[in-house]
Amino acid sequence: DTAVSQTPKYLVTQMGNDKSIKCEQNLGHDTMYWYKQDSKKFLKIMFSYNNKELIINETVPNRFSPKSPDKAHLNLHINSLELGDSAVYFCASSQDVSSGNTIYFGEGSWLTVV
Amino acid sequence: RKEVEQDPGPFNVPEGATVAFNCTYSNSASQSFFWYRQDCRKEPKLLMSVYSSGNEDGRFTAQLNRASQYISLLIRDSKLSDSATYLCVVNEGFQKLVFGTGTRLLVSP
Repeated sequence: DTAVSQTPKYLVTQMGNDKSIKCEQNLGHDTMYWYKQDSKKFLKIMFSYNNKELIINETVPNRFSPKSPDKAHLNLHINSLELGDSAVYFCASSQDVSSGNTIYFGEGSWLTVV
Repeated sequence: RKEVEQDPGPFNVPEGATVAFNCTYSNSASQSFFWYRQDCRKEPKLLMSVYSSGNEDGRFTAQLNRASQYISLLIRDSKLSDSATYLCVVNEGFQKLVFGTGTRLLVSP
């Protein structure tokens, strides 16, 4: 029973296209995240939502638009894809991390822009 | 200066060795600290939380020095299966977890 699931796992697409990655968690957590891991393996937070409300937006280009229809889902839509968007995108969820709760990651979505 | 800094390695050690990783963080208001492990082409997974008093989980010991803004992870009696990238993670507040770039460990027979 996958706790944080994201689809698709692999995505190859051409520059200029628009694509979406979906994420769902069945842990009952209030907070969900999108992280990007680039070719140098640096894992950087992009967005965080708490109970469907955006709480972190880390200077990500506005071609990236997260959407949270409910607290169990956080989707990522990317417009006008660029070569530099090629990376692994990890969805994650947690309960209140300020209380020391841990963050659980999905398996990642490997995006390649050609 | 990066928010969370780690030596990228790789650290090449033989089985049975003891190895230590260090991590420094820049935000003195950081609230909690973790070590995560990431295997090749997999998602990061929690290894252990880091407490002010230091804590141990089997062969793994984590230490925190708030005054120096420094976190460490010690692995004793290394196993082949310990080969992975170890990520230092800092909670800066407001649900923001910042990851270090990771330290790669290779344990050889």
